[in-house]
Amino acid sequence: DAGVIQSPRHEVTEMGQEVTLRCKPISGHDYLFWYRQTMMRGLELLIYFNNNVPIDDSGMPEDRFSAKMPNASFSTLKIQPSEPRDSAVYFCASRSTGTGADEQYFGPGTRLTVT
Amino acid sequence: QKEVEQNSGPLSVPEGAIASLNCTYSDRGSQSFFWYRQYSGKSPELIMFIYSNGDKEDGRFTAQLNKASQYVSLLIRDSQPSDSATYLCAVNTDKLIFGTGTRLQVFP
Repeated sequence: DAGVIQSPRHEVTEMGQEVTLRCKPISGHDYLFWYRQTMMRGLELLIYFNNNVPIDDSGMPEDRFSAKMPNASFSTLKIQPSEPRDSAVYFCASRSTGTGADEQYFGPGTRLTVT
Repeated sequence: QKEVEQNSGPLSVPEGAIASLNCTYSDRGSQSFFWYRQYSGKSPELIMFIYSNGDKEDGRFTAQLNKASQYVSLLIRDSQPSDSATYLCAVNTDKLIFGTGTRLQVFP
């Protein structure tokens, strides 16, 4: 299996621009998570989906952030408009209900820089 | 008070020594506990999980849980330079909450 796939790996954009991050979970996994990691705040859960349905979006910072999961193999996290404080590494993770230990498998991350 | 607290380090230990990483959590209802390792520029990977009070051993790694004290730790025996990484403690309440991590440096 290819693991969780994220694109792009790096994104540099100017303040005010729209940014779209993409994730393909591991085939067969029914949970998908979006995290943001910064030095100051560590790894924070933004939103997670179960069977393509958003379950908890309480970690989404504000209305500028939105996430969708149109099907079991694809999800997007969109920031519009982007701000410099959004600069971080964004991770997508997935897991299967059937696996033990709630093990989440992380993608390689997207490093976002907003100038 | 943060939900999951870790000392940021760095924790420096010589090769072959035991590294002890600690974590405290605030939610007494937490049921499962995880240790992730994250190399610089890479994504977190799960190395240990524990559900019950006591010790759980896996190779050179031992996870220890004390629910009464709301404390979980990770011991790494015979530390190797390749163990140098940031170790993230995560606690499952209704979702995984991560600590900010402890950076471990193992020097030859």
